[in-house]
Amino acid sequence: GQQVMQIPQYQHVQEGEDFTTYCNSSTTLSNIQWYKQRPGGHPVFLIQLVKSGEVKKQKRLTFQFGEAKKNSSLHITATQTTDVGTYFCAATSGTYKYIFGTGTRLKVLA
Amino acid sequence: DTGVSQDPRHKITKRGQNVTFRCDPISEHNRLYWYRQTLGQGPEFLTYFQNEAQLEKSRLLSDRFSAERPKGSFSTLEIQRTEQGDSAMYLCASSLARSGALPYNEQFFGPGTRLTVL
Repeated sequence: GQQVMQIPQYQHVQEGEDFTTYCNSSTTLSNIQWYKQRPGGHPVFLIQLVKSGEVKKQKRLTFQFGEAKKNSSLHITATQTTDVGTYFCAATSGTYKYIFGTGTRLKVLA
Repeated sequence: DTGVSQDPRHKITKRGQNVTFRCDPISEHNRLYWYRQTLGQGPEFLTYFQNEAQLEKSRLLSDRFSAERPKGSFSTLEIQRTEQGDSAMYLCASSLARSGALPYNEQFFGPGTRLTVL
């Protein structure tokens, strides 16, 4: 079945450093969504990417969808303590069933 | 609060008992998803509905799991003969799919029901 691999599993950064998480699939994806989950909370939608090579920005966050629509990345510039949480990608491939990645847990050291 | 609500928030049960969870989506949302999440993992797809129709169910799900959305509004997830491996957070999410628009839409998650099977 479809699998979505996400790396790294954990990332500790100093406040002000950049952070990137990657999502990879062996199959071509229809779309990919990114979510953030704070400790003890539920996933909260960040962005959706649909087009090949698409790049979207939200303030310090930059999201990319690969040209082959098999991978995606989330980059945070100059991390802040408020960025702490786990970042998940969620992807579909031909249906509306979303497969979530394993997540990247970000810790920001002040 | 007009978000997704789930009830109960916590459930402790003994192995072998049946449990039922309820999800109330955002009122105009026509898609409803159920996920299961264990510690350190991403949400695992269980099933989803478009209005009252259950369109897909995970093959990982055993026959002990059943979900309904009888009137296309709230949904219930029942687990029969619970096992310790069923202990997890059960998340519900809803989204609005509009005809003629992009078919993929952001999912709004509820707070979840934490199930503990003793």
